Amino acid sequence: GAVVSQHPSRVICKSGTSVKIECRSLDFQATTMFWYRQFPKQSLMLMATSNEGSKATYEQGVEKDKFLINHASLTLSTLTVTSAHPEDSSFYICSASSGTNYGYTFGSGTRLTVV
Amino acid sequence: SQQGEEDPQALSIQEGENATMNCSYKTSINNLQWYRQNSGRGLVHLILIRSNEREKHSGRLRVTLDTSKKSSSLLITASRAADTASYFCATGEYGNKLVFGAGTILRVKS
Repeated sequence: GAVVSQHPSRVICKSGTSVKIECRSLDFQATTMFWYRQFPKQSLMLMATSNEGSKATYEQGVEKDKFLINHASLTLSTLTVTSAHPEDSSFYICSASSGTNYGYTFGSGTRLTVV
Repeated sequence: SQQGEEDPQALSIQEGENATMNCSYKTSINNLQWYRQNSGRGLVHLILIRSNEREKHSGRLRVTLDTSKKSSSLLITASRAADTASYFCATGEYGNKLVFGAGTILRVKS
């Protein structure tokens, strides 16, 4: 089945630094990638949608200059949290769609802790 | 934004019992999906039900959809400890973003 590999699974960084999270579709072409954020015991909140080769579309309230999304190829999308602060600590999950069916494949998530 | 509410928010049952989770949504849909999330992990797709379907089965899972009430339910029969997870409903159009419900945290005690 379709697999999305997300790395790293856990990262701890200092305030003010930047962190990059990668999601790769291993056996299909991800025309669209979705990035979600999840706080403990809460649901997933969509941050942005990216299509290969074009700029990401951010949800209301999500700072595009803080959460940089790049979808340079059909198999790789990255989310960079810039100048991270403790309030950015969260669980970040990507989801890929090939656009050919209703299926969405999720990465395993990244636990970001900013200290 | 979240599509709607799920209830209960948390459910604790004994192994072997059935677990029922409900989901309500706000807008018209073409389909509704259920996902499972183990603690600290990504989501796993369980089942999709289309708007013209009223009930669907997959193994120990049974999903119903009532478009007039904008609600869906997920029934897990003969639950196992390994079913312990969070369960989310989600709606979304073909190839577009999913909007998730608030989720139900299920704990199955052995």
